[in-house]
Amino acid sequence: DGGITQSPKYLFRKEGQNVTLSCEQNLNHDAMYWYRQDPGQGLRLIYYSQIVNDFQKGDIAEGYSVSREKKESFPLTVTSAQKNPTAFYLCASSFGLAVSYEQYFGPGTRLTVT
Amino acid sequence: AQSVTQPDIHITVSEGASLELRCNYSYGATPYLFWYVQSPGQGLQLLLKYFSGDTLVQGIKGFEAEFKRSQSSFNLRKPSVHWSDAAEYFCAVGVGNTPLVFGKGTRLSVIA
Repeated sequence: DGGITQSPKYLFRKEGQNVTLSCEQNLNHDAMYWYRQDPGQGLRLIYYSQIVNDFQKGDIAEGYSVSREKKESFPLTVTSAQKNPTAFYLCASSFGLAVSYEQYFGPGTRLTVT
Repeated sequence: AQSVTQPDIHITVSEGASLELRCNYSYGATPYLFWYVQSPGQGLQLLLKYFSGDTLVQGIKGFEAEFKRSQSSFNLRKPSVHWSDAAEYFCAVGVGNTPLVFGKGTRLSVIA
């Protein structure tokens, strides 16, 4: 089955630690995205990538980093510089950046930092 | 600035009643318009989208939406709500190759 995998579903970390969230897709999509979701805030774009080895900052990139070494993978690192990292993180992918392409979403990772 | 507004944070409807969720946008040109649904703790699923043409679009799960250029709106409707429709609904808009902008969502509760 084609789709997007995010692991783990729940992640717990101590404050001051970096943590990496996994996102893998087997849809042969070129574009991939990371969103952060907080209650009542909707989805806010952290980073997106149009192609391997290229990525762009979204609206709330501070305290986050990404890499795109493979077409299928777009991991997100939440660094200790992110002041409020506890949130639900969603990964998505699409055939291209053009808005006419549907974005497909993974099931999300809930990160709790204490 | 480009923006999308979902005025209702939370709506409660009775099972079998009709539903309308509102979405208003502010863009320089007519954007591409989408409605997504999210079940608790899950990712988002596309319900329907509008690019051009007929302003009434049909989607999955019995949903439809109507684009009204004069009102800058793209409201989502369903004639008869089922308990399984309880979820959060997001309107999203975008143009060209720029990332989608999502509204803050409307949470739908369904009561017996």
